[in-house]
Amino acid sequence: AAGVIQSPRHLIKEKRETATLKCYPIPRHDTVYWYQQGPGQDPQFLISFYEKMQSDKGSIPDRFSAQQFSDYHSELNMSSLELGDSALYFCASSLGQGRGYTFGSGTRLTVV
Amino acid sequence: GQQVMQIPQYQHVQEGEDFTTYCNSSTTLSNIQWYKQRPGGHPVFLIQLVKSGEVKKQKRLTFQFGEAKKNSSLHITATQTTDVGTYFCAGRATNAGKSTFGDGTTLTVKP
Repeated sequence: AAGVIQSPRHLIKEKRETATLKCYPIPRHDTVYWYQQGPGQDPQFLISFYEKMQSDKGSIPDRFSAQQFSDYHSELNMSSLELGDSALYFCASSLGQGRGYTFGSGTRLTVV
Repeated sequence: GQQVMQIPQYQHVQEGEDFTTYCNSSTTLSNIQWYKQRPGGHPVFLIQLVKSGEVKKQKRLTFQFGEAKKNSSLHITATQTTDVGTYFCAGRATNAGKSTFGDGTTLTVKP
């Protein structure tokens, strides 16, 4: 069965650089979520989209932005990267906002 | 904002012993989900509870949703080494567009 695809799997960037993470949800899933997980931490909600419209916003820095495109894939854009942005970034999708999430394998971002 | 707390943070058990993790929300929930994350992996959806007082079972796992829909528990009977990982609850408040994850309980099982 198709899963949530995230790319890249690993990314190394220098401070003040920009990064773009991509997420391809499960076909027909209409909701996409982005979470940030630091080492030993729980996933922290960043932002979500329902039917290509932003549906909720969490602790996402102003340096980050995200969007969902007409084909339902989503991108998380991160600018002026800081060392503290180093984390695992998960994308998840669901069919409707009240269902269980299917997580992708994540993108491990390292800022040096 | 909504807070979801889990206890304990860590649990070490001998294989064959039981394990329970508890989840408490600061607000009433419309549903609660449970996820398992293996070391180096991503969270995997286990179950969703919606009804007050609901109890669901998956083999050796028993999930409960409190009557007030503010707390939940996951109980594993006779743990096995394959149960190791971090178990997260995620609560969705009424009219919220996303679920808030608890801190997680990391389970280690000694063979």
